This record gives sequence, C-alpha cells and structure tokens, in this order.
Amino acid sequence: DAGVIQSPRHEVTEMGQEVTLRCKPISGHDYLFWYRQTMMRGLELLIYFNNNVPIDDSGMPEDRFSAKMPNASFSTLKIQPSEPRDSAVYFCASSLRPTLNTEAFFGQGTRLTVV
Amino acid sequence: AQSVAQPEDQVNVAEGNPLTVKCTYSVSGNPYLFWYVQYPNRGLQFRLKYITGDNLVKGSYGFEAEFNKSQTSFHLKKPSALVSDSALYFCAVRDEDSNYQLIWGAGTKLIIKP
Repeated sequence: DAGVIQSPRHEVTEMGQEVTLRCKPISGHDYLFWYRQTMMRGLELLIYFNNNVPIDDSGMPEDRFSAKMPNASFSTLKIQPSEPRDSAVYFCASSLRPTLNTEAFFGQGTRLTVV
Repeated sequence: AQSVAQPEDQVNVAEGNPLTVKCTYSVSGNPYLFWYVQYPNRGLQFRLKYITGDNLVKGSYGFEAEFNKSQTSFHLKKPSALVSDSALYFCAVRDEDSNYQLIWGAGTKLIIKP
C-alpha cells in the first residue's frame, strides 16, 4: 500500500477563495482523521470519520471549514472562504478501529498558504 | 482531563552521545503511550508504543522508551545519536476516557550536531 495520500502538497491561494484538500486513506482503514499543524497551536484534531460517517467535528474551528467522506477511499476538507489565519499544514491520517494500542498513519500533509 | 507535556522545545545533542526526549502525561485511566517522529516537509511517522508489560519499549532505528508509572513519564532514548535522528518528535497518549483519541504533546525539536 502506498500509505495515506494527500493532495495537493502545497497550495497558495488568495484570501476569500475556496480551498479543497484531498485525502486517500490506507485501504482497509475505517477511521480517517484530519489534523491541522501550526507553530502556535501545534497539532490539532479537526474532525474524524468512522466508516465514512463524521463522528466528532468539535475541532473544526469555524463554519468556514467542512469535511466530507463520500466513500471509503476519499475524503475532502474544504475551507470557504479562506483567510490568512488558515495558513497551516493540514494532515490526513487513517487507522484501523482505534483501540487503545492502534497507531495512526499520516499522509505527508498539505501546506496551505492564504495570502 | 488528559494531557501530554513535552517540557523541552528543543534538545541539542552531539553525534555519538546518548539522547533523551522527555514526555510526561496525565490521564485518568491506564495510559497507552506513543512516540511519533516528523522529518521536514513530511507527515508524522509512528516509532514505538507502550501498552502493558515491560517498562522499556524497544522501537526501530535504535530508539527505546522507558515507561515510569510513578513519574507518569515516557521518555524517548537512544544510546548513540546520529545526525539523521534530527527531527521533530511527538509524544501522544490515549486511555479509555479519551474516547480512544490520541492526545498530543507540543513536540520537541531534536538537533544532532556532527
């Protein structure tokens, strides 16, 4: 398996534009997580899915953020409209059912810059 | 509430010397602890985990971590550091009360100097 695949690797957009980040989890993993990493806040869990269903979106910062998982092999994180403070690295991770000893596997991330 | 502390933002070690990256945790139940590493422009990579059993956990690339229940710590160690070990290291914990979600530390930047 190629691991968790994210696209694009880098995204530069203007304030107010819509941004869509994409993720393909590891085949067979039924949990998918979206994280945001910044210098100020570190690693933050935004939302996670189980079997394509959003379970906990309490980490989503604002209504401008939305995430979907239309099938087991694809998820999107959308920001509309984007703002400069959304600039960060966004990671997608997947895992088998997160029992206590299950590790998560991360993609390489999307570095988002909003100017 | 569950929490993880990595008290050092940065650790500097000379190549060949032993290294320690510190992690302390606070959970209400039994802790399950993890170390991840992040190289520049890469995602986090799992390195090792403590579940139950031996307090000394051996992982890949010569890394090991020591679980100390009385000190609520899970420090990452390596007897002889390599320049290639330079990276950002994250400690994480989960327990039954965290709804199986990983609680992350802020990360420690490890710099190995030749």
